[in-house]
Amino acid sequence: NAGVTQTPKFQVLKTGQSMTLQCAQDMNHEYMSWYRQDPGMGLRLIHYSVGAGITDQGEVPNGYNVSRSTTEDFPLRLLSAAPSQTSVYFCASSSRDGESYEQYFGPGTRLTVT
Amino acid sequence: SQQGEEDPQALSIQEGENATMNCSYKTSINNLQWYRQNSGRGLVHLILIRSNEREKHSGRLRVTLDTSKKSSSLLITASRAADTASYFCATAQGAQKLVFGQGTRLTINP
Repeated sequence: NAGVTQTPKFQVLKTGQSMTLQCAQDMNHEYMSWYRQDPGMGLRLIHYSVGAGITDQGEVPNGYNVSRSTTEDFPLRLLSAAPSQTSVYFCASSSRDGESYEQYFGPGTRLTVT
Repeated sequence: SQQGEEDPQALSIQEGENATMNCSYKTSINNLQWYRQNSGRGLVHLILIRSNEREKHSGRLRVTLDTSKKSSSLLITASRAADTASYFCATAQGAQKLVFGQGTRLTINP
């Protein structure tokens, strides 16, 4: 299994540009999430999904959109990039296995907005 | 706002010593999890303790949970250079909504 994969690894955007961060998992996990991590900080939840067709907002959803058309994929869209969105973005997935909710993380996408 | 608060923010010890990190949280939880993050990498799950458990062991890791004080501790025994990383606690209130603390940066000196 590849686990959780994210593309791209690095991205530089200009203010106002849009882009999509890709996330895929091959573990047939129901749950997927997007987090952002700023320097010296923990992770903050952006959006999450409990299954195909179902998404919900996390702690910091403004400026981001998500959709979940398949179990495997959970892309994150930046609608109009702003310097405040410079961060490292992590995708994670988990399965309700004995209600453990242990999350598996991708390697991250480092985004810089100029 | 983040629920978990780790203490200390940074910890530097000699190889072979034990490292203890603490986490406090604010609201009731289903479980509390600890993750490790090596520099520039994603997070890796270490251990989970449920709200009805008080202590759990996994190899050199020992986690305690005190729900009355809303706090948890992670003990790493006989530390190694490879344990150098940031450690995060995360509290789970629902199925998917993990709330992370700011982390403890652990450095193991040879």
